Amino acid sequence: AQSVTQLGSHVSVSEGALVLLRCNYSSSVPPYLFWYVQYPNQGLQLLLKYTTGATLVKGINGFEAEFKKSETSFHLTKPSAHMSDAAEYFCVGTSYNQGGKLIFGQGTELSVKP
Amino acid sequence: KAGVTQTPRYLIKTRGQQVTLSCSPISGHRSVSWYQQTPGQGLQFLFEYFSETQRNKGNFPGRFSGRQFSNSRSEMNVSTLELGDSALYLCASSPSPESSYEQYFGPGTRLTVT
Repeated sequence: AQSVTQLGSHVSVSEGALVLLRCNYSSSVPPYLFWYVQYPNQGLQLLLKYTTGATLVKGINGFEAEFKKSETSFHLTKPSAHMSDAAEYFCVGTSYNQGGKLIFGQGTELSVKP
Repeated sequence: KAGVTQTPRYLIKTRGQQVTLSCSPISGHRSVSWYQQTPGQGLQFLFEYFSETQRNKGNFPGRFSGRQFSNSRSEMNVSTLELGDSALYLCASSPSPESSYEQYFGPGTRLTVT
């Protein structure tokens, strides 16, 4: 069965520091992977996606992620954190045969200290 | 384009009652998926609809049901509410089944069961 695991339920960084949110997946078929962000009392916003092709994907707000099949990972990074990046981040997986069924990681809450 | 809209945004119900939540997808989107978000279980897939037909279903009891109308609007119903049904219910839409992995989320309906 497909699963997505996020390492660390809470990450705290200083403003201007590197943001690294970790995600590992398991899938018996080629996965589609996504990162979503959720601000308090709001829905989910798509940050970036990997389906096929280039393994380094760039998203909105300066975020990027690299699909590493050998490590079954899809970590999210941003070179320099902003206060506005404080939110909850979800790594999400699915595959071509899952239709619209997304599998969510547990979420990582990112705090940014001034 | 207007985003996914969900009504109502907040709802308080009593145990044993039933509730209906509504979702209007982005114009032109034909697939709608529903998710339940709780602090304990995280985000879990409920069901997916396309062309008024349920394509996919998660592991929820039969008290949870849904439907889709010819204009792609969708409703979900929960009967005989339990305290554990208190959650944020998110709706997401996608353009077609072929791209149903790329989902755009609404702000959610916060359901509180007392």
